[in-house]
Amino acid sequence: ETGVTQSPTHLIKTRGQQVTLRCSSQSGHNTVSWYQQALGQGPQFIFQYYREEENGRGNFPPRFSGLQFPNYSSELNVNALELDDSALYLCASSLVWEETQYFGPGTRLLVL
Amino acid sequence: QQQVKQSPQSLIVQKGGISIINCAYENTAFDYFPWYQQFPGKGPALLIAIRPDVSEKKEGRFTISFNKSAKQFSLHIMDSQPGDSATYFCAASNPNTGNQFYFGTGTSLTVIP
Repeated sequence: ETGVTQSPTHLIKTRGQQVTLRCSSQSGHNTVSWYQQALGQGPQFIFQYYREEENGRGNFPPRFSGLQFPNYSSELNVNALELDDSALYLCASSLVWEETQYFGPGTRLLVL
Repeated sequence: QQQVKQSPQSLIVQKGGISIINCAYENTAFDYFPWYQQFPGKGPALLIAIRPDVSEKKEGRFTISFNKSAKQFSLHIMDSQPGDSATYFCAASNPNTGNQFYFGTGTSLTVIP
C-alpha cells in the first residue's frame, strides 16, 4: 500500500505567477482534500474532491482551484500568487465514508 | 472564527512525564475527533482518534479523553519520550460537510531527556 505523495517538495514563485501542485492519493482512496498550513498554524481546509467534482470548499478565493483525475490523483492550482500564499500545502486522501484522512508530506511554496 | 481551540501553545515535559494537550469545540455536529502529530518539514500523521459515543480511547502510550457535555477533549501522552517532541494538532469533522477537518492551532511539545 503506497502512501500519499506530493510534488514538488519545494517551490519558489514570484507574486502574480501561477502554480500547480500535484498529489497522488493513497491506494484505494477516492477522496482528496487540500489544506494550506501557514507557518506556526494549523492546516486550513481549501477544498475537497470526490469523483472528480468539488465536494466542499473552505474560505479561499476562486483563484484557488483544483482538479481530480480518474485515477484519483489531484492538482491544486493557484493563480495570481500573493505573498500571503507562502505556506505548506498539504494533500490528504480518504475513503469518502470514513473520516480518517492521511496526509502527504506537503509542498512548501514561497512567493517572493 | 476558530472552530477548535487548542491549548497550550507550547509544552515542555521531562522524559517519563505525562504530556496533556487540551481542545475545545462549539459545533455539536462534530462527530469525529482525531489527533495528528507533525514533525518539522513533514505532513501531519494520524495518532489516535475518537468518536463522541465513548469517553476514552487508549492506544499504547496515547490516550484521548472526551467530555461530550463540556465539548472538550484532550490528548494524554504517558511516559513521554524525546522522540515525542513534535507539534500536535487536534481536529474535528462534521459529517454534514464531508470530510472537512477543522484543526486547532497546534501545541509544540518538547520532551527533555
